[in-house]
Amino acid sequence: DGGITQSPKYLFRKEGQNVTLSCEQNLNHDAMYWYRQDPGQGLRLIYYSQIVNDFQKGDIAEGYSVSREKKESFPLTVTSAQKNPTAFYLCASTIWGRNYGYTFGSGTRLTVV
Amino acid sequence: DQQVKQNSPSLSVQEGRISILNCDYTNSMFDYFLWYKKYPAEGPTFLISISSIKDKNEDGRFTVFLNKSAKHLSLHIVPSQPGDSAVYFCAASEGYNNNDMRFGAGTRLTVKP
Repeated sequence: DGGITQSPKYLFRKEGQNVTLSCEQNLNHDAMYWYRQDPGQGLRLIYYSQIVNDFQKGDIAEGYSVSREKKESFPLTVTSAQKNPTAFYLCASTIWGRNYGYTFGSGTRLTVV
Repeated sequence: DQQVKQNSPSLSVQEGRISILNCDYTNSMFDYFLWYKKYPAEGPTFLISISSIKDKNEDGRFTVFLNKSAKHLSLHIVPSQPGDSAVYFCAASEGYNNNDMRFGAGTRLTVKP
C-alpha cells in the first residue's frame, strides 16, 4: 500500500532542544511539504521541496530546518530558535506541476515541556 | 493574513439532511479549490476539487459550488451520514502552483443519527 508515514505520533521536547520529525512516502511523489496546524488556524506552510536536494521556505520557516536527500524522505527539524513549537505538524506530498490533491500523513503532535 | 476563511468552526446536522459548509477567499488569483476531510488522529484526505472555469462539481453525495464574483465556495453533502462527521478544510491555490496552497481553519461537522 502506498502512503505517507510520519513518526513519531507524539513527541515531547524540553526547551532548548532540537527535535526531528520524520516523513517518508512511497508514492513516488516529487513534491513534499511540511505544515503546522494551531487551534483555530488553517494549515500554515513551513517548508516545501519540489525535487531532491532542493527546498524552499514557506510562510513560517523561522526556527525550522529541512533536508531532502532522498525523494522518499523529508525530515523536519524543530530547532531551539522556534519560539512556540508546540503544535500539530503535518507532512504532505503530491505530484509536482499538476492540480492534484495532496496526500497527507497522520501528523505529529509536538509538545514542549 | 488568512486568504482562505471558514467562518463556522462547527456545524451540526441530522442524518439524512443536507450539510452545507462554506468557505470564503480574498485572493482573486486563486483558480483551483479543494476540500479535504480529516478524522481525529489522521491526516486530511482529499475529497473534491473545482477549477475556476466551472461553477459546480459533483461526486456522489458531495457537490462543490463556486461563486467567483463573491469569492465564495461551498460544499454540499446530501444526504448526510454519521460517517461524514469530521473536520472539513477548504484550500485554494493559483493554478499549478501547488506550493502556494492556502488552507482555511476547518469546520467540524457532526452528523447526528
